[in-house]
Amino acid sequence: AQSVTQLDSHVSVSEGTPVLLRCNYSSSYSPSLFWYVQHPNKGLQLLLKYTSAATLVKGINGFEAEFKKSETSFHLTKPSAHMSDAAEYFCVVSPGAYGGSQGNLIFGKGTKLSVKP
Amino acid sequence: DTGVSQDPRHKITKRGQNVTFRCDPISEHNRLYWYRQTLGQGPEFLTYFQNEAQLEKSRLLSDRFSAERPKGSFSTLEIQRTEQGDSAMYLCASSLDRIRETQYFGPGTRLLVL
Repeated sequence: AQSVTQLDSHVSVSEGTPVLLRCNYSSSYSPSLFWYVQHPNKGLQLLLKYTSAATLVKGINGFEAEFKKSETSFHLTKPSAHMSDAAEYFCVVSPGAYGGSQGNLIFGKGTKLSVKP
Repeated sequence: DTGVSQDPRHKITKRGQNVTFRCDPISEHNRLYWYRQTLGQGPEFLTYFQNEAQLEKSRLLSDRFSAERPKGSFSTLEIQRTEQGDSAMYLCASSLDRIRETQYFGPGTRLLVL
């Protein structure tokens, strides 16, 4: 079975400092992995996705994530936090057709990022 | 705006009433998904359409829930005899008809059952 674990429910950083949001996945197959962001009262927006090409994936707004198969991790990072980054972040796995599913996404519980001035 | 749209954005209803939500996907997207998100949790998959065919349903989708996509374009999600436990955000997403394609989400419909 596929699953996603976000290791921190809440992360607080100061503006201008690095951001690290941790995610571990479990999948019997070669999954696709995503990070989505959800700002209050707004829809989910895709930050980046990994689909078995380069292991270091660059996304929007300066975010990037590294796929590490040996550690089953897909942590999200950003060198310097901005106030506008404050939001809820979801790590997501899609097993694809090989996982017996036709593409539904499996979400982690989310990490709320707070950015202090 | 060419994104996924959902209507209504908010719905308050009394227990036992029926409600219906609508989702309009991005026009060229064949796949349409419904998810439910409760407070403090990530979205959970409910059901998925490829064109007008409903191909997969989650165990979360009880017999009080029904979804349709009659012409392969917009979709409706109906909840009959609503219960307080149905209170949640209902999200719709659409994607192209290829495995591992990005799903684009609408703003959601927030349901409150009193």
